[in-house]
Amino acid sequence: EAQVTQNPRYLITVTGKKLTVTCSQNMNHEYMSWYRQDPGLGLRQIYYSMNVEVTDKGDVPEGYKVSRKEKRNFPLILESPSPNQTSLYFCASSFQRVLSYNEQFFGPGTRLTVL
Amino acid sequence: DQQVKQNSPSLSVQEGRISILNCDYTNSMFDYFLWYKKYPAEGPTFLISISSIKDKNEDGRFTVFLNKSAKHLSLHIVPSQPGDSAVYFCAAGYGNKLVFGAGTILRVKS
Repeated sequence: EAQVTQNPRYLITVTGKKLTVTCSQNMNHEYMSWYRQDPGLGLRQIYYSMNVEVTDKGDVPEGYKVSRKEKRNFPLILESPSPNQTSLYFCASSFQRVLSYNEQFFGPGTRLTVL
Repeated sequence: DQQVKQNSPSLSVQEGRISILNCDYTNSMFDYFLWYKKYPAEGPTFLISISSIKDKNEDGRFTVFLNKSAKHLSLHIVPSQPGDSAVYFCAAGYGNKLVFGAGTILRVKS
């Protein structure tokens, strides 16, 4: 089944404790991205990657890191999480590199709480 | 600065009637528009899209209308069904820039 998977689905952590949210897609998609969803703000892009070893900042990259060492995986790293990073996170992938003209496939989401 | 606005946080509609969800944008560079639907505890799924060279696109019960002069698009669902109850996000973009609205919660009552 074609899908985007994220782990963990739920995470409660404390300020400053490094964490990684994994994302994997099995559709051989070139483009992957991370979003956060906050009430009243919709989905905001954190980072994106157009191919292996190619990543770039989205609209809200502060406090996050990503890597793209393999085409299928795109982990999101929070080196020192803070409470304002409490949010619902989505990973997404897309077949083509020009984002806005193509539908994205989203993972099920990761609910992160930073105390 | 919210470039894509969905001014109605929620909408309630009777089963069988039309649902109209609205979206306004400010950036005249946007040339492609998409709607996504999201159920609780799931990721958004693509619903329908339209490019700026068109003013209407239909897919079954779903039709998207684009009014470029007003910088406004709308999603019509006819007839509405209880399974359509979800959060609907509009998104607008050009090139690799894509901006989502805050979403509208649609409740279809049976």
